[in-house]
Amino acid sequence: ETGVTQTPRHLVMGMTNKKSLKCEQHLGHNAMYWYKQSAKKPLELMFVYSLEERVENNSVPSRFSPECPNSSHLFLHLHTLQPEDSALYLCASSQATSGYTDTQYFGPGTRLTVL
Amino acid sequence: AQSVAQPEDQVNVAEGNPLTVKCTYSVSGNPYLFWYVQYPNRGLQFLLKYITGDNLVKGSYGFEAEFNKSQTSFHLKKPSALVSDSALYFCAVRDGDGNNRLAFGKGNQVVVIP
Repeated sequence: ETGVTQTPRHLVMGMTNKKSLKCEQHLGHNAMYWYKQSAKKPLELMFVYSLEERVENNSVPSRFSPECPNSSHLFLHLHTLQPEDSALYLCASSQATSGYTDTQYFGPGTRLTVL
Repeated sequence: AQSVAQPEDQVNVAEGNPLTVKCTYSVSGNPYLFWYVQYPNRGLQFLLKYITGDNLVKGSYGFEAEFNKSQTSFHLKKPSALVSDSALYFCAVRDGDGNNRLAFGKGNQVVVIP
């Protein structure tokens, strides 16, 4: 589990705050992902970065802004969130291949609560 | 688009008994199938995957899964459950037809009763 780390592990913020989630992978992978996990719902893919370029953005509200400065780091910048954004935010990484057979490895997540 | 169904919200099993967690999938091309486990306050841990070849795939912690193309299923199994296997289990599928998205099921809570 130490291959992908996330900070902070817990975050409580008001709707007018600005905060950032950080993810770091130590596996030498070339792709990174943000997922949202809400209770009793499938994981929702938010963003995908491959070779530091955003390749997918699944209609995520603009109050979520990703940043991938290099292949090892991924950020999720948060501003003016809503209470329904409270969830566990998971980061993952993989060594993406042309055949799409790669395995994604997950970090421990950031438990976000929006008041 | 690819999708996964995990029909049971919770699976209860006595310690030492066989454990089965069900998963069915839908894809347009060849399926690439994965199982993950999530313990409380932790991220998802990879258990095993099927890409091609032998339909029976062996993974971590004594788990295995059987790919059944005709039934579009990929059930997770363990011959003898441990109390420590109590966790949330996720099945996921990727469509080999060129879509890199990994679609997850909603998860199954497994409770192993001592």
